[in-house]
Amino acid sequence: EVQLVESGGGLVQPGGSLRLSCAASGFTVSRSWIHYVRQVPGKGLVWVSRTNGDGSTINYADSVKGRFTISKDNAKNTAYLQMNSLRVEDTAVYYCVREFGGGDDHWGQGILVTVSS
Amino acid sequence: QSVLAQPPSTSGTPGQGVTISCSGSSSNVGRDNVYWYQQIPGAAPKLLISHNNQRPAGVADRFSGSKSGTLASLAISGLRSEDDADYYCAAWDNILSAYVFGTGTKVTVL
Repeated sequence: EVQLVESGGGLVQPGGSLRLSCAASGFTVSRSWIHYVRQVPGKGLVWVSRTNGDGSTINYADSVKGRFTISKDNAKNTAYLQMNSLRVEDTAVYYCVREFGGGDDHWGQGILVTVSS
Repeated sequence: QSVLAQPPSTSGTPGQGVTISCSGSSSNVGRDNVYWYQQIPGAAPKLLISHNNQRPAGVADRFSGSKSGTLASLAISGLRSEDDADYYCAAWDNILSAYVFGTGTKVTVL
């Protein structure tokens, strides 16, 4: 069974950093596209970033470019979203997603990141 | 950051049908595949339609997608109470080099 379990969220001050982890089971991250999508509670979905199986293709939304970095650890079968220079407007529930829009589309449970002083 | 326009809400009674529009541009809907997601409050989104009109395994055939030019649509026929949810379209934008989501549509089953 495919599962994505997210961790690493929490409260951080503006300007701080957090690293979200997305532990995968039932599939291999090194052979899958992994995306991050975020959602301010009560608001719409916003795509954040993606990386392909071997990491040769990486894209970011303009709003996070230069501050966020997506990566994978194939040995741990885990994807990461390193978030630096966090802003109040980065506050949201963050979802990791396998194969967004594809036949193997699966979403994690979501993890809340709160940026506040 | 929503580049795709959707109506904020629509409603229908059980058994009726509703259609949700998703208006984009030549750099996204007009160029690439459109995806539709359903989100029930408190839950992660669920893929309803991939590649404009393909239903993933397990999705009811009451849901159908279509696209013409820069306008995509999701049709729900035979409304059921469990269809009461938020619906989002999405597409790759080749100018932004990013996926863009629609503004979201709240479907209420009266």
